[in-house]
Amino acid sequence: KQEVTQIPAALSVPEGENLVLNCSFTDSAIYNLQWFRQDPGKGLTSLLLIQSSQREQTSGRLNASLDKSSGRSTLYIAASQPGDSATYLCAVSGGNTPLVFGKGTRLSVIA
Amino acid sequence: DAGVIQSPRHEVTEMGQEVTLRCKPISGHDYLFWYRQTMMRGLELLIYFNNNVPIDDSGMPEDRFSAKMPNASFSTLKIQPSEPRDSAVYFCASSLWGYYGYTFGSGTRLTVV
Repeated sequence: KQEVTQIPAALSVPEGENLVLNCSFTDSAIYNLQWFRQDPGKGLTSLLLIQSSQREQTSGRLNASLDKSSGRSTLYIAASQPGDSATYLCAVSGGNTPLVFGKGTRLSVIA
Repeated sequence: DAGVIQSPRHEVTEMGQEVTLRCKPISGHDYLFWYRQTMMRGLELLIYFNNNVPIDDSGMPEDRFSAKMPNASFSTLKIQPSEPRDSAVYFCASSLWGYYGYTFGSGTRLTVV
């Protein structure tokens, strides 16, 4: 059974800092990995999707990497802003299994 | 496209009442998923459909929960009778082929008192 772990559970950084969020998964036989953002009381917004054949994806200040063999992904946020404050969720799908989610990292960017 | 549309946004009901949550997936998507989010357990898959057919309902917590997808543009999740421990945010998501990115609705926040 696929399990997804996100570390740290919470993170507080000053504005302007570059930061890395970590995600690990137990079964490397995945089809894709997706990073989401969730604001308090809101739905999930897809940030980046990495197919299993890809190593990374970039969107603006966000860069996500994937290392299937080690079961790891990182989300890099450059020059963080207070507006980046949210919970970031990592999820993987594979084979006949729909997306399995981690518990998320709650990010606070302090102005 | 308007994205995945869920209704209602909020639902407050008394224990024992029937609750029906609704979802309209993105047109052309052939997979539909129902997830539940709680503080304790995070996001959990309840059930998913492929081309309107239920594929895996092993995540449905009890027989009190049921889901249907009568056509490609509509799905319901029903809880009967509802209990306070069902209080959570219920999300619907859709996807093309199931292996590409999922798009989530805004969720239904259910409170059972």
